[in-house]
Amino acid sequence: GQQLNQSPQSMFIQEGEDVSMNCTSSSIFNTWLWYKQDPGEGPVLLIALYKAGELTSNGRLTAQFGITRKDSFLNISASIPSDVGIYFCAGPSSGGYQKVTFGIGTKLQVIP
Amino acid sequence: DAGITQSPRYKITETGRQVTLMCHQTWSHSYMFWYRQDLGHGLRLIYYSAAADITDKGEVPDGYVVSRSKTENFPLTLESATRSQTSVYFCASRRTGNTGELFFGEGSRLTVL
Repeated sequence: GQQLNQSPQSMFIQEGEDVSMNCTSSSIFNTWLWYKQDPGEGPVLLIALYKAGELTSNGRLTAQFGITRKDSFLNISASIPSDVGIYFCAGPSSGGYQKVTFGIGTKLQVIP
Repeated sequence: DAGITQSPRYKITETGRQVTLMCHQTWSHSYMFWYRQDLGHGLRLIYYSAAADITDKGEVPDGYVVSRSKTENFPLTLESATRSQTSVYFCASRRTGNTGELFFGEGSRLTVL
């Protein structure tokens, strides 16, 4: 099946710093999704990307759909303590949106 | 309040016992999913359902059974729980259409002793 490789798996950053994380796939994706999971909660969708090369922002978050359609990036600018959580990339498995495959997640910790 | 709810939120059971995790959604979404979350593995799909009475296996279905007699409910049953099924289980739902956006419940933390 399709695999998503997400990196880094964890990171500690100072409040105010910018953060970058990325996701690569073994096969082409038509959609890239980025979710955030707060501690003790279920994941929530942050950004959805539907076109190769697309760059989309949501507040301090910016995500890009790679030109090769096999990768995606998420950037967080000027991090704040509430950015703490696990960030997942995800995409529909081959055959459509019936199944969504998730990456392993990037655990972000922000030092005040 | 509308949304997707899971119960129980926490469950401790013993090896060999049957356990059922409940999931209920009020949006009338067609698709429902069960994922398990484990350290080092992220979220892995157990089973999904495209509509009432239509279910299919995901990535890690062994040891689990699902049913969907009504659109709003999607229970997950562990017929004979094993220690390897200790995990946090998330139910999710999705509208019909090509958005891929899943709406997750708050999770059920299961410990098998």
